[in-house]
Amino acid sequence: DAGVIQSPRHEVTEMGQEVTLRCKPISGHNSLFWYRQTMMRGLELLIYFNNNVPIDDSGMPEDRFSAKMPNASFSTLKIQPSEPRDSAVYFCASSPLSQGVNTEAFFGQGTRLTVV
Amino acid sequence: AQSVSQHNHHVILSEAASLELGCNYSYGGTVNLFWYVQYPGQHLQLLLKYFSGDPLVKGIKGFEAEFIKSKFSFNLRKPSVQWSDTAEYFCAVKTGGSYIPTFGRGTSLIVHP
Repeated sequence: DAGVIQSPRHEVTEMGQEVTLRCKPISGHNSLFWYRQTMMRGLELLIYFNNNVPIDDSGMPEDRFSAKMPNASFSTLKIQPSEPRDSAVYFCASSPLSQGVNTEAFFGQGTRLTVV
Repeated sequence: AQSVSQHNHHVILSEAASLELGCNYSYGGTVNLFWYVQYPGQHLQLLLKYFSGDPLVKGIKGFEAEFIKSKFSFNLRKPSVQWSDTAEYFCAVKTGGSYIPTFGRGTSLIVHP
């Protein structure tokens, strides 16, 4: 199994530009999470999808952030327009819903975003 | 909402020293507990997990953790650390039938050879 695949691994962009982060969960996993990691705030949940449906997006910072999951094998996190304070490592994680709550989340390698 | 506290933000040890990292959570019901490790520049990997049964859980790389329900704690231990254990360690909790893990702020461990 290839694990959770995220792209790009690194992204440097100018303030005001649109940024799109991509995630391919592990095949068969129907829970998907987007987390943001910063030195100041640690690991924060941004949004949680269950069977492609957003269940909890209370962690999405503001309207500049949006996430989609058009099918079971692909999700995107978009920031438009980007700001320097969005600089962070963004992790995607998935887990198999079929096992209920008794399962861990499997993390991707993360995307390190730098907004200058 | 539940919260997870990791009291040690930075720990520095010499090789062969014993390790104990604290983790406390604030939820009185059923919990699922996890410890993850993040090596420099890498993603989070599961070290061990507790769902039910024996409160002493053995994980990979010689790590273990003990669930003490009365103390709302799930401390991570290793009898003898190695330089390769240098990493960030995260405690996480799932509560009340939730599918969403909540993470602590993490503990940075540096092991000197």
